[in-house]
Amino acid sequence: DIQMTQSPSSLSASVGDRVTITCQASQDISNYLNWYQQKPGKAPKLLIYDASNLETGVPSRFSGSGSGTDFTFTISSLQPEDIATYYCQQYDNLPFTFGGGTKVEIK
Amino acid sequence: EVQLVESGGGLVKPGGSLRLSCAASGFTFSSYSMNWVRQAPGKGLEWVSSISSSSSYIYYADSVKGRFTISRDNAKNSLYLQMNSLRAEDTAVYYCAQDGGVATMIYWGQGTLVTVSS
Repeated sequence: DIQMTQSPSSLSASVGDRVTITCQASQDISNYLNWYQQKPGKAPKLLIYDASNLETGVPSRFSGSGSGTDFTFTISSLQPEDIATYYCQQYDNLPFTFGGGTKVEIK
Repeated sequence: EVQLVESGGGLVKPGGSLRLSCAASGFTFSSYSMNWVRQAPGKGLEWVSSISSSSSYIYYADSVKGRFTISRDNAKNSLYLQMNSLRAEDTAVYYCAQDGGVATMIYWGQGTLVTVSS
């Protein structure tokens, strides 16, 4: 199975800060990577697909980059409504695996 | 508007069975692959199973293979997950999700809680 390692597992930042989350795959997955946002008590929401493509309707402060084994998710200017846990997910190989999640809080 | 509504969760004893359902609306259900994803209390997301639009391709996580069966009824716009031989570690919120293309889960239901406990 492909292991997805996210870091950090949690972070605290101020409104307006730039926030960066990394996701490392245990083997090359090309750009077959998605990013999801999950707010407390809610279902996950797709933000980024194919590593860097913004899902329709998602604010442009969210972005993704990377290919191969190393990926980055960025919030350019953290907003109060961005408080959530963020997950990466690979779909290069079965089983489709998620990272452990990064909990983002406001400082 | 796409809607996915799960049902069928509840409390079941170890070794028992449950059948989850997911009612879909707002899109052409028969054109999309579908997935089940679960989340144990306080834990991360785990992909469980996928089924192609015509049921030709079905995949399972190793953790549920041989115990869970995914199926769909395109005439009823419904997705199912038959869960047998349930274990405590199957306790989770189970989400159904529309697949926008190779396990890219675009729309999700609100989830249904399955608790396996004696």
